[in-house]
Amino acid sequence: GESVGLHLPTLSVQEGDNSIINCAYSNSASDYFIWYKQESGKGPQFIIDIRSNMDKRQGQRVTVLLNKTVKHLSLQIAATQPGDSAVYFCADIQAGTALIFGKGTTLSVSS
Amino acid sequence: GAGVSQSPRYKVAKRGQDVALRCDPISGHVSLFWYQQALGQGPEFLTYFQNEAQLDKSGLPSDRFFAERPEGSVSTLKIQRTQQEDSAVYLCASTDQVSNQPQHFGDGTRLSIL
Repeated sequence: GESVGLHLPTLSVQEGDNSIINCAYSNSASDYFIWYKQESGKGPQFIIDIRSNMDKRQGQRVTVLLNKTVKHLSLQIAATQPGDSAVYFCADIQAGTALIFGKGTTLSVSS
Repeated sequence: GAGVSQSPRYKVAKRGQDVALRCDPISGHVSLFWYQQALGQGPEFLTYFQNEAQLDKSGLPSDRFFAERPEGSVSTLKIQRTQQEDSAVYLCASTDQVSNQPQHFGDGTRLSIL
């Protein structure tokens, strides 16, 4: 079935670098996308979301880019910090209200 | 303010036993969701409530899984005759009525079936 997936299961960066986490989705009817951060033993924590009528949205140190032409979503984290180490999930809404999650990218930040 | 609260945080049960997992959503949130997260995977949708009405239960894996939210606030996910494949983290999320997104998650209940 259709699902949201990520390109890379792991990403390792140095403290202070910018991180880019990618996600490809398959359902062209998806109209809402969201990024979550999940630390070990905790629930997913909302980072940023974007609707399909936008192609970019910025938050504090984070930017989400949406390319509907190629069905690609990315999360950019500026000046990555050790506290950013976690698993990052993208998710979308395909029908109704349930989120469909990808498998996640583990971000490791070394100082 | 208080977030989504789930209890217990950890539950160990023997195969065949029944378990009940509790979720206290954020105060005033009318929408409540249950997800199941297997080790190393993303959460998978189980069921959705709007107030006390269960509007979508398409993700429940079998008739051994049952969820309720009788007063439109606290919700309970019950699993009868547990099996080893039920071992997972069960996450609860809630949203306010206006936007219905984003969903705010609790820290989950880690269920281990022996």
